[in-house]
Amino acid sequence: ETGVTQTPRHLVMGMTNKKSLKCEQHLGHNAMYWYKQSAKKPLELMFVYNFKEQTENNSVPSRFSPECPNSSHLFLHLHTLQPEDSALYLCASSQDHLAGGRGETQYFGPGTRLLVL
Amino acid sequence: AQSVTQLDSQVPVFEEAPVELRCNYSSSVSVYLFWYVQYPNQGLQLLLKYLSGSTLVKGINGFEAEFNKSQTSFHLRKPSVHISDTAEYFCAVSVRGSRLTFGEGTQLTVNP
Repeated sequence: ETGVTQTPRHLVMGMTNKKSLKCEQHLGHNAMYWYKQSAKKPLELMFVYNFKEQTENNSVPSRFSPECPNSSHLFLHLHTLQPEDSALYLCASSQDHLAGGRGETQYFGPGTRLLVL
Repeated sequence: AQSVTQLDSQVPVFEEAPVELRCNYSSSVSVYLFWYVQYPNQGLQLLLKYLSGSTLVKGINGFEAEFNKSQTSFHLRKPSVHISDTAEYFCAVSVRGSRLTFGEGTQLTVNP
C-alpha cells in the first residue's frame, strides 16, 4: 500500500454507539491530521499530531477522541455523536506539522463517510 | 491571520471549453498558495503550488495558475477541459510558520 489509507470508507452509527476511524500513512511522514468536511463549508482542521504528540486541538467536542500510537497510525474514536457530526472525515499527513508554512504538501486519504442516525 | 475566498461555488462548462476558477487571499505577509483537487469519493490531492519565483505555476493534468500579488489572487486555469476534470477544487493559503487555510471549494462540472 502506498500513500494514506483510511478505514472504514463508510460508517453508519447510532448516537449511542462507539466506533473508531483508522488512518495509516506509508510515506514516512512525521505529522498527521484529522479534518472534517461538511457540505458547503471549508475544511475544518480538528487535530494535529507531530511525532505522536498532539500539537493542535481546534476546540473539538470531547465526543471525538484522537489517538496516535506512532507516526504512521492515527485513530479517531467516536462516541455519543450527534446527527450534525455526519460528514466526510479526512486524514492527512505531511513531513512536518507546519507543512503549509514551509510550502510542503499535505497528502490526504480518501476519507470516511460518516452518517449518524 | 490569512484567509482565502473562492469566488464561485459552482462552475459549469462544456467539454473542450477553457475554464478559470478564481481565488483571492488576504494576508499581510508573504504567502504560499496551493490548489488541491478532490475527485468524487476521493481525498484531496495537490494540483500545483506557488512558493516563490515565477508567478505562473504549472501543475498536473494541464492546469496552471498565476500568482498576482497586486490583486492578491491565484486563479486556476485550463485551456480545454475534459469530462474527467469534473471535481471540487480547493484553493489554500499559508504563511511561514502557520497551517494551511482552505477555501470553501469550487465545484467544476464539465458537460458533454
